[in-house]
Amino acid sequence: SQQGEEDPQALSIQEGENATMNCSYKTSINNLQWYRQNSGRGLVHLILIRSNEREKHSGRLRVTLDTSKKSSSLLITASRAADTASYFCATDGAGSYQLTFGKGTKLSVIP
Amino acid sequence: ETGVTQTPRHLVMGMTNKKSLKCEQHLGHNAMYWYKQSAKKPLELMFVYNFKEQTENNSVPSRFSPECPNSSHLFLHLHTLQPEDSALYLCASSQDPGHSYEQYFGPGTRLTVT
Repeated sequence: SQQGEEDPQALSIQEGENATMNCSYKTSINNLQWYRQNSGRGLVHLILIRSNEREKHSGRLRVTLDTSKKSSSLLITASRAADTASYFCATDGAGSYQLTFGKGTKLSVIP
Repeated sequence: ETGVTQTPRHLVMGMTNKKSLKCEQHLGHNAMYWYKQSAKKPLELMFVYNFKEQTENNSVPSRFSPECPNSSHLFLHLHTLQPEDSALYLCASSQDPGHSYEQYFGPGTRLTVT
């Protein structure tokens, strides 16, 4: 089944630095979503980007989508300790209503 | 708070027990979902309900039995579970089923099967 795969698996940065996470997928999609999960809690939706969009911003978040490379990136600028969490991309398969999640990138922001 | 609540937050049960997980959404959504999150594995979709009707069952063992009495409530009945069923069980809802809608997740139930 369609699945997004995040890279790197883990990322550790200093507060104030930018964090970039990548997601690759295998087949065509209608849209791609990014979610955040604090340890042992539920997921929180961050951004949805449609297949005909190339870039989207929300506060300190910037998401890009390159459908020719079947990849997306999530950039968090000026990171804060509170950004420490796991970040997941979720993709749909064309014709499928289901979202398929990757294993996530675990981000640690050191104060 | 996301508007989706789950109870209990933690559950320890033996393999012969019967228990139920409860999920409630206060968002007026039409679709509800059960996911299983195990360590070092991707989030696994278990069941999807649309307007109280089950629309997806991803080959989930029959020891997991969902129930959706109305579009605001979702249950997961558990019986004769195995230790490998220990995981975080997440409930989510969305305006309608489908990939175009963001999903709102509850905090999860941490299940331990002994």
